Amino acid sequence: DQQVKQNSPSLSVQEGRISILNCDYTNSMFDYFLWYKKYPAEGPTFLISISSIKDKNEDGRFTVFLNKSAKHLSLHIVPSQPGDSAVYFCAASVGAGSYQLTFGKGTKLSVIP
Amino acid sequence: GAVVSQHPSWVICKSGTSVKIECRSLDFQATTMFWYRQFPKQSLMLMATSNEGSKATYEQGVEKDKFLINHASLTLSTLTVTSAHPEDSSFYICSALGLAERGQETQYFGPGTRLLVL
Repeated sequence: DQQVKQNSPSLSVQEGRISILNCDYTNSMFDYFLWYKKYPAEGPTFLISISSIKDKNEDGRFTVFLNKSAKHLSLHIVPSQPGDSAVYFCAASVGAGSYQLTFGKGTKLSVIP
Repeated sequence: GAVVSQHPSWVICKSGTSVKIECRSLDFQATTMFWYRQFPKQSLMLMATSNEGSKATYEQGVEKDKFLINHASLTLSTLTVTSAHPEDSSFYICSALGLAERGQETQYFGPGTRLLVL
């Protein structure tokens, strides 16, 4: 049973437009959420995180929104750039210590020039 | 900063042999490291949490006698797949717990090791 779900395996977006990656979770104990970016043959790179006490966190072009009642979070990238093309993983944990991360399957983002 | 390396990046071995994978935090000390496994088109699955100087904590369903973890120093953890079989073929990724720029604890991942057991 997958506790963190990324239902879109892939997403294509035009350069300059907004990319929206979605993630749903089922475990109500999760209170810390992270997004990682992964290029082929490399390990995931931490992008941005959000604690359940917030509903939004912003870092440059990246914004994560959290809807606790819907158990849903999303990552917005604006404007999208070709270098953003990668696989994005959503992860969740209980507590902000980044321990025991549960990952989604990832969404492959392609930004078209 | 916060670079984690893995060695080897890929390995092919015969069934029944043992394979050791190293995970190093290059520019920071990590008391805690994690080992993950990823099958094609699947998510990263946590195998075990490795703490320096103590025994690793394995996730349910992961055989500790098959996947030996040693975290002997603050910069090195090793995963040994003993008596490897074809079903052990996978992508193994380690991570090390470090502090991000804003002071929060974050897992920094290595580039992964692709294991193919023939």
